[in-house]
Amino acid sequence: TQLLEQSPQFLSIQEGENLTVYCNSSSVFSSLQWYRQEPGEGPVLLVTVVTGGEVKKLKRLTFQFGDARKDSSLHITAAQPGDTGLYLCAGVSGYSTLTFGKGTMLLVSP
Amino acid sequence: KAGVTQTPRYLIKTRGQQVTLSCSPISGHRSVSWYQQTPGQGLQFLFEYFSETQRNKGNFPGRFSGRQFSNSRSEMNVSTLELGDSALYLCASSLGKANTEAFFGQGTRLTVV
Repeated sequence: TQLLEQSPQFLSIQEGENLTVYCNSSSVFSSLQWYRQEPGEGPVLLVTVVTGGEVKKLKRLTFQFGDARKDSSLHITAAQPGDTGLYLCAGVSGYSTLTFGKGTMLLVSP
Repeated sequence: KAGVTQTPRYLIKTRGQQVTLSCSPISGHRSVSWYQQTPGQGLQFLFEYFSETQRNKGNFPGRFSGRQFSNSRSEMNVSTLELGDSALYLCASSLGKANTEAFFGQGTRLTVV
């Protein structure tokens, strides 16, 4: 069984602080995705990483994929209240089957 | 372009009943996947349909079933409901090719009492 472990489970910070969320897999997936989910909504894709060692930036968000393609991290610089939400990593297998971590609930206070 | 539509948004059912949830994918998408989200287990994959055929299945009991129609719309059915089936059920549509983006609906919140 392929598992994805995310840490931390909860994160409560002040606006302007930096944070990092980690995602570790027990096995290798064809690619890894990060999603953000807001209350009452479905997850929305932020990024897909495919190549070991890959780094992708999306404004204040930086995503890294480990060399062995079994771990990933999401770093947010100068967090804002609008960043509040549930951050999920998901490993992609088959054509489009997603195995999700349990998520990191981020609360950014003004 | 219209997003993924799930109906109904909320549902309350009694133990032992059955329920059918519906998902209309984005136009042109032939793959529909279903996920169950609970606070304890997070998001778990139920099954995926592509061109009316089940292409992959997660580790859920046979009470959970689904189907896909020729217009790519999909339904999932849960029979003999249990309290533990209370969850947010999400469907995701995609083109169905490797590493293509999945778009999620808002989900159906099922409460079993």
